[in-house]
Amino acid sequence: SQTIHQWPATLVQPVGSPLSLECTVEGTSNPNLYWYRQAAGRGLQLLFYSVGIGQISSEVPQNLSASRPQDRQFILSSKKLLLSDSGFYLCAWSVRLVEKLFFGSGTQLSVL
Amino acid sequence: GESVGLHLPTLSVQEGDNSIINCAYSNSASDYFIWYKQESGKGPQFIIDIRSNMDKRQGQRVTVLLNKTVKHLSLQIAATQPGDSAVYFCAESPNSGGYNKLIFGAGTRLAVHP
Repeated sequence: SQTIHQWPATLVQPVGSPLSLECTVEGTSNPNLYWYRQAAGRGLQLLFYSVGIGQISSEVPQNLSASRPQDRQFILSSKKLLLSDSGFYLCAWSVRLVEKLFFGSGTQLSVL
Repeated sequence: GESVGLHLPTLSVQEGDNSIINCAYSNSASDYFIWYKQESGKGPQFIIDIRSNMDKRQGQRVTVLLNKTVKHLSLQIAATQPGDSAVYFCAESPNSGGYNKLIFGAGTRLAVHP
């Protein structure tokens, strides 16, 4: 069966520090991969999606970037965190051409 | 632009009652709809989905109804249990092609009281 791993679960970082969140998927090949952000008590905002290795599309301009160095690995990064980067970050995957998303357990990021 | 919204931000129900969570969508070209349940501090979990060629789909204790005429989606939970307490999100797929884009609503919190 397919599983998605996302870490760390919680992270507290000072403003101006770098960020690296990692997500891996097991049990499937060529998945579509996604990064979402969720502000407290709000809905999910799509940040990035990827349909293949090295292929990244950004949905909103921001201080973050994403990379997909391997088929089942998706990384969310920042060179210098801002206070506004705080939030709950969710990685998700889907089968190609199928809409249903499967989410990871999320990372709660607090930028202080 | 396209949006998916919810009528009620918070819904309180008694244990054993049926719950109905509503959602409005604005993009008439959307052809796929999905409901997720999110417990505090966790990622959203898939509940049920429906395509636009259907108006009703049933799962275990859950039913999704789709009214394309008024662009309305609802999730019905039968015999609501304390474990159903969570935030529920609806999402639509505007059939953009190329990748599977889901547009999420703001969510409804369901509180189940004993």
